Amino acid sequence: RKEVEQDPGPFNVPEGATVAFNCTYSNSASQSFFWYRQDCRKEPKLLMSVYSSGNEDGRFTAQLNRASQYISLLIRDSKLSDSATYLCVVLSTSGTYKYIFGTGTRLKVLA
Amino acid sequence: ETGVTQSPTHLIKTRGQQVTLRCSSQSGHNTVSWYQQALGQGPQFIFQYYREEENGRGNFPPRFSGLQFPNYSSELNVNALELDDSALYLCASMAGQGPDTQYFGPGTRLTVL
Repeated sequence: RKEVEQDPGPFNVPEGATVAFNCTYSNSASQSFFWYRQDCRKEPKLLMSVYSSGNEDGRFTAQLNRASQYISLLIRDSKLSDSATYLCVVLSTSGTYKYIFGTGTRLKVLA
Repeated sequence: ETGVTQSPTHLIKTRGQQVTLRCSSQSGHNTVSWYQQALGQGPQFIFQYYREEENGRGNFPPRFSGLQFPNYSSELNVNALELDDSALYLCASMAGQGPDTQYFGPGTRLTVL
């Protein structure tokens, strides 16, 4: 079983739609969680950190459920520019800090 | 931009050769991590250096090695290249040892023929 699992998609949604991505992680000792965005043939960029109480940044909302070892990202009012791959990232602290990436979920927002 | 640069941008090698990839971190960032990203996959952690010492390693064989220098630059060396080593290689820097925001460079795309 992979340490971080995501549905690879692709998710094809119309502009203005709300879309949700899920991610599960296997190491219950994981400390920190992030969502990164990666555009085609570009490097990953931090979208947002995920806090235990849930957090929002404009149209983006991240949630963490430690009991179920589950992270989510909700995008409201999708824009064409949201088309990208969204990577779920978990910080493992077994010995040293190590960032574990999921495979990523591809989103395509259609006009 | 992130302030992290990598060179070269693209590289073509043949099986069995050796390659050195370079990364220049943001000034003051003492930690650098290297990742391998195969097509359609997420980045896979290779190793991490903190203040010039390796302090974490993923599931990669010893032919993947690295160095970090006092001037915030680092190298990834891969010996005896295999076809499966073809991937995008990313370095990421951060100020401390974690948890912290990682800043990625644009990557080096390596093709092994």
